[in-house]
Amino acid sequence: DVKVTQSSRYLVKRTGEKVFLECVQDMDHENMFWYRQDPGLGLRLIYFSYDVKMKEKGDIPEGYSVSREKKERFSLILESASTNQTSMYLCASSSGRRAGRKDTQYFGPGTRLTVL
Amino acid sequence: TQLLEQSPQFLSIQEGENLTVYCNSSSVFSSLQWYRQEPGEGPVLLVTVVTGGEVKKLKRLTFQFGDARKDSSLHITAAQPGDTGLYLCAGADDYKLSFGAGTTVTVRA
Repeated sequence: DVKVTQSSRYLVKRTGEKVFLECVQDMDHENMFWYRQDPGLGLRLIYFSYDVKMKEKGDIPEGYSVSREKKERFSLILESASTNQTSMYLCASSSGRRAGRKDTQYFGPGTRLTVL
Repeated sequence: TQLLEQSPQFLSIQEGENLTVYCNSSSVFSSLQWYRQEPGEGPVLLVTVVTGGEVKKLKRLTFQFGDARKDSSLHITAAQPGDTGLYLCAGADDYKLSFGAGTTVTVRA
């Protein structure tokens, strides 16, 4: 069974704090993704990575950065947390280069981040 | 702006009834995926449709991909409380998926 784990289920931080969200997958997948999920907006892609040390901006990268030093681990960093970054953060991984028939994204359970 | 529009946003039905969820876009996708997400969990893939006009069945769930590969529908026959969840469609474009906002389905016993 593919497993994607996220370091925390719930997190409460203060405005201006630096926040690290960790994601680990155990299936040797090449691709890893970070999304945020907000009511009425669905999932929006923040960053993704298709190889170690490689990263690509998604649709909403502002205020975020990422790190992928090892294949199995993909970290999302909020340099200076703000209240509008309160959201559910979902990590996903997939094996292939192309999303589609042979490429399923497997999601972690999510981290609900509240910034006060 | 959402690339994929899902309708309705909310759907509440009685056990045993049928329901249909729609996913529409002005863009063409190489494939389209449907996910279901339960509270406190990440989305889980239900199906991928690739060919225009394709129909796939998964027990009581029927998925259809439009001929032009821009829209899709999910039909559930004789819904059960276990079908309750958030249904998300996602269009595939190389590495990435673009998600709709989702349809929250509640099936009352």
